[in-house]
Amino acid sequence: DSGVTQTPKHLITATGQRVTLRCSPRSGDLSVYWYQQSLDQGLQFLIQYYNGEERAKGNILERFSAQQFPDLHSELNLSSLELGDSALYFCASSASISGTGGTDTQYFGPGTRLTVL
Amino acid sequence: LAKTTQPISMDSYEGQEVNITCSHNNIATNDYITWYQQFPSQGPRFIIQGYKTKVTNEVASLFIPADRKSSTLSLPRVSLSDTAVYYCLVVQADKLIFGTGTRLQVFP
Repeated sequence: DSGVTQTPKHLITATGQRVTLRCSPRSGDLSVYWYQQSLDQGLQFLIQYYNGEERAKGNILERFSAQQFPDLHSELNLSSLELGDSALYFCASSASISGTGGTDTQYFGPGTRLTVL
Repeated sequence: LAKTTQPISMDSYEGQEVNITCSHNNIATNDYITWYQQFPSQGPRFIIQGYKTKVTNEVASLFIPADRKSSTLSLPRVSLSDTAVYYCLVVQADKLIFGTGTRLQVFP
């Protein structure tokens, strides 16, 4: 158990809909990262937050957005969903900030499996 | 932007040493190279991290040449429980980039 929690575990929705994925980092960790994992694209970095502020951006679509709240939990919002958005979405957290996170040890949650029908 | 590439799969037997290489051009000069292990339906788990030369911990070693264009994860004496997918993680153009992943199958 990494100490990172994600809800829900599974999510099934239809094209065009909007969903929110939630992540609670390990106690004391200030950085939160979001990743998408699909069969054809592998593990893709989406976005990083540090202590409530956006810190780095990866291949995140404009239809996707995220935020980190004062209690440090984070939410990833996916809107106008398409079939291709079906994937596993992972959240990770780390204790410190170091540039783009290349030096921090990241602890991953169990993921949310999103299925868009 | 060059891809961070790894062999798709590798097979080994219990007790053997396994070396998995990740090729990564133009990585950030100040950031580490990190390796993660992933089991089915779980999030990746940290294995080892290094900046240059050789790093060893209780589960693996990491070899990084001076030009940092590649890195090699070494797993000594693998067991059946090491069957998993292994990823390298680097920073390229200010973005976190995972390698393509190597599926390691360990046979008895």
